[in-house]
Amino acid sequence: QVTLKESGPGMLQPSKTLSLTCSFSGFSLSTSGMVVSWIRQPSGKSLEWLAAIDWDGDKYYNPSLKSRLTVSKDTSNTQVFLKITSVDIADTATYYCARTLNYWGQGVMVTVSS
Amino acid sequence: DVVLTQTPPTLSATIGQSVSISCRSSQSLLHSNGNTYLHWLLQRPGQSPQLLIYLVSRLESGVPNRFSGSGSGTDFTLKISGVEAEDLGVYYCVQGTHAPWTFGGGTKLELK
Repeated sequence: QVTLKESGPGMLQPSKTLSLTCSFSGFSLSTSGMVVSWIRQPSGKSLEWLAAIDWDGDKYYNPSLKSRLTVSKDTSNTQVFLKITSVDIADTATYYCARTLNYWGQGVMVTVSS
Repeated sequence: DVVLTQTPPTLSATIGQSVSISCRSSQSLLHSNGNTYLHWLLQRPGQSPQLLIYLVSRLESGVPNRFSGSGSGTDFTLKISGVEAEDLGVYYCVQGTHAPWTFGGGTKLELK
């Protein structure tokens, strides 16, 4: 059974760095073809793809946010991380990790506020 | 970036009614490898999105066959043949042909 779960700080101040973790089970990111993505959704709005990392360690970023994003994975291939630097109010959203598009985590809400 | 325009933004339906949602792309979504990476998601209230249709018309495992997808190039349609109460929520099209992946603005399906 494939499951993913995001975790994060809940709330942080503007200009800080947001660190998110996606913990998953039921598959290994070392398996050929596997990709885990980060996608976010401001309340009441549509979805925005942020970044992805694949089984080979290749990383992909949304060009509009690339300078602020870092995606990585752990050596056991059971966790994926996302860091967003210099956050501001516009980064307030629910953040999802997803394996391709057919398995999604429950999402973690992040609020940026002073 | 590729812009996906969904219409209508809101759809009111009765149980059993058949409805369609349109997704139009600013560029052709036909990849050089012959695949068209246009997919449909449903987000029920308070839930994460779930995949309904992938590669234009392929039904994801476990999804009822009242859902169907069609289209090519820049014009795509999701059809629900006989809406059921569990189908209510927001539908999104998403493309993966051109980086970065982009999503449509969503179509909210409500009960009339």
